[in-house]
Amino acid sequence: RKEVEQDPGPFNVPEGATVAFNCTYSNSASQSFFWYRQDCRKEPKLLMSVYSSGNEDGRFTAQLNRASQYISLLIRDSKLSDSATYLCVVLSGGGADGLTFGKGTHLIIQP
Amino acid sequence: NAGVTQTPKFQVLKTGQSMTLQCAQDMNHNSMYWYRQDPGMGLRLIYYSASEGTTDKGEVPNGYNVSRLNKREFSLRLESAAPSQTSVYFCASSEAPSGVGIEQYFGPGTRLTVT
Repeated sequence: RKEVEQDPGPFNVPEGATVAFNCTYSNSASQSFFWYRQDCRKEPKLLMSVYSSGNEDGRFTAQLNRASQYISLLIRDSKLSDSATYLCVVLSGGGADGLTFGKGTHLIIQP
Repeated sequence: NAGVTQTPKFQVLKTGQSMTLQCAQDMNHNSMYWYRQDPGMGLRLIYYSASEGTTDKGEVPNGYNVSRLNKREFSLRLESAAPSQTSVYFCASSEAPSGVGIEQYFGPGTRLTVT
């Protein structure tokens, strides 16, 4: 079974702080990686794709470490609105059934 | 442009009852998916349709059937509901089967309770 592991948290972080969390994956042949955000009782939405060279989108930075088989998400200058569950998603193999979702990391930004 | 819509939003069934969850997308996407999400579990794929006219089993297909009615609509049927099927069901769509740069768009979910 394809495995994607995340620390469930919750991570309690003061507003304005920097927070980072990782996700490990077991299939070394995994091809694509994503971070999705899910607000309480809402649907998941794509936050960012994770590229081999790493990528940044505003306050968010995603990194991929293929040697150690993990991806990371860094959030700088955290806002109250960043409170959510962050899902790590890994694509292994071709086809529509190739996505494996992690259980998510719950982040709470405190004022 | 509504994106992905699902009906109903909430449903309570008794064990043994049947029902169909409806999903529609207006983004002209080729691929559609049904997931379930349970507490402490990641989203798990039930069935998917890579393109109109095709359907395939995902990780947890037992107890479910699907119909890709047309390019827009993909329904999920529970023939004889069981308490183990209590869950939140999400429909999703994507322009093409999952791959690099292919984003899945999710509907708002259906919260199903089977008593």
